[in-house]
This record gives sequence, structure tokens and C-alpha cells, in this order.
Amino acid sequence: DAGVIQSPRHEVTEMGQEVTLRCKPISGHDYLFWYRQTMMRGLELLIYFNNNVPIDDSGMPEDRFSAKMPNASFSTLKIQPSEPRDSAVYFCASTRDNNQPQHFGDGTRLSIL
Amino acid sequence: AQKITQTQPGMFVQEKEAVTLDCTYDTSDPSYGLFWYKQPSSGEMIFLIYQGSYDQQNATEGRYSLNFQKARKSANLVISASQLGDSAMYFCAMREGLGGGGNKLTFGTGTQLKVEL
Repeated sequence: DAGVIQSPRHEVTEMGQEVTLRCKPISGHDYLFWYRQTMMRGLELLIYFNNNVPIDDSGMPEDRFSAKMPNASFSTLKIQPSEPRDSAVYFCASTRDNNQPQHFGDGTRLSIL
Repeated sequence: AQKITQTQPGMFVQEKEAVTLDCTYDTSDPSYGLFWYKQPSSGEMIFLIYQGSYDQQNATEGRYSLNFQKARKSANLVISASQLGDSAMYFCAMREGLGGGGNKLTFGTGTQLKVEL
């Protein structure tokens, strides 16, 4: 079975540009999560969806960040405008239900110059 | 207060020896789950083992076992017969509560394990 698929794997862009990260969860998983990992703050949950509906976005840093899940097999995390402090590894994860582990994608390494 | 505490930033173990990675947690919720993930230098997050708060027995998965001491609020990961490929960062995480609001994972700061010959 295919795991969680994220694209791109690496992204380097200049500050002020729009960045879009993509995620395809494991088929049949009703929950989708976006995390950010930095040296300073570790792994932080940004937002999660259940059945394509955003449930908790309290971790989204500011209005420059937005996330959507238009259908069960696709989600995006958008940063506009991007800033150097947004540089991090962004992970997408999915799970079937509350008692199951979250399965992570390989992450997107984002560098904002 | 930290919800998940991993007090060992780095650990060394000799190949074929067992190693224990510490994790303590803080919650007032009677229903919670504890997870361990491995992150090798390549960066992916790999699920290792899960323990539910109501589970009567300690979880085991191959060479991984979880030493769950509920009264002490600790959930230490034990890796037996360490291998060079076990060298990685290890994260403890907790999920509190049930239902849609209870699916958030809170992660510790991680322990970097190095297996030596």
C-alpha cells in the first residue's frame, strides 16, 4: 500500500513568494494532519482535518498560513507571503481513527531565502 | 508545563546491547495514548509502538517494548539487541482524550541514539 505522499520533497524560494505544499493521505484514512519541525520548536501540529473538515487550526502561526482539503485524497498547505522564519520541514500525516498511529509522509524541506 | 518530557538529549549504546529511552508525560485525562516514533538522518518519521492508557499489558513490537508505568506517568522505550541501523532520533508523543478533539499528538524534544560497534 502507498504511504502518505508529499510534494515537493524540497523547496527553495525567495521571501515574499507563495509556497504550496501538497499531501495525499493513505486511502481510507479520515484524519489528516500538518506538522512543522524546526530545531528551535521541535514538532508542532499546525492543523488537522477529519473527513475533509478542519477541526483544529490553533497551531497555524498566522494568517499567512492556510490549509485546505478539497477531497479525501488531497490537501494543501499554503504560505503567502513566505518569510525566512518559515524555513522548516513540513510533514503531513494521516490516520484511520483515534486509536491508530499517525503515518507520516517523508516531509517537505522548505527554505525561504 | 511540558506535556511530554524526554530528558536524554543523547544516548550511546553498544551494538547488541539493550537501551532504554526515557519518556514522562503529564495529563489529567484518563484516556490517552502514547506513541514512539523513530526519525533517522534521512528525515522520515517511522511509527514504532503504541500504548493505550487502558491497556493492561506493556506493548511490544519485535525488538521494541514499552515500559509503561502509569502511576509514575512514564512510558520508556526499550530497544533490545541494538543494531547500527537503530541510530536515529526517537520521539515520544501523546494523544489525549477520545473523539475528534482528541486526535492531536504532542511530541517530546527527542533523544538522539547512537549505536556503536
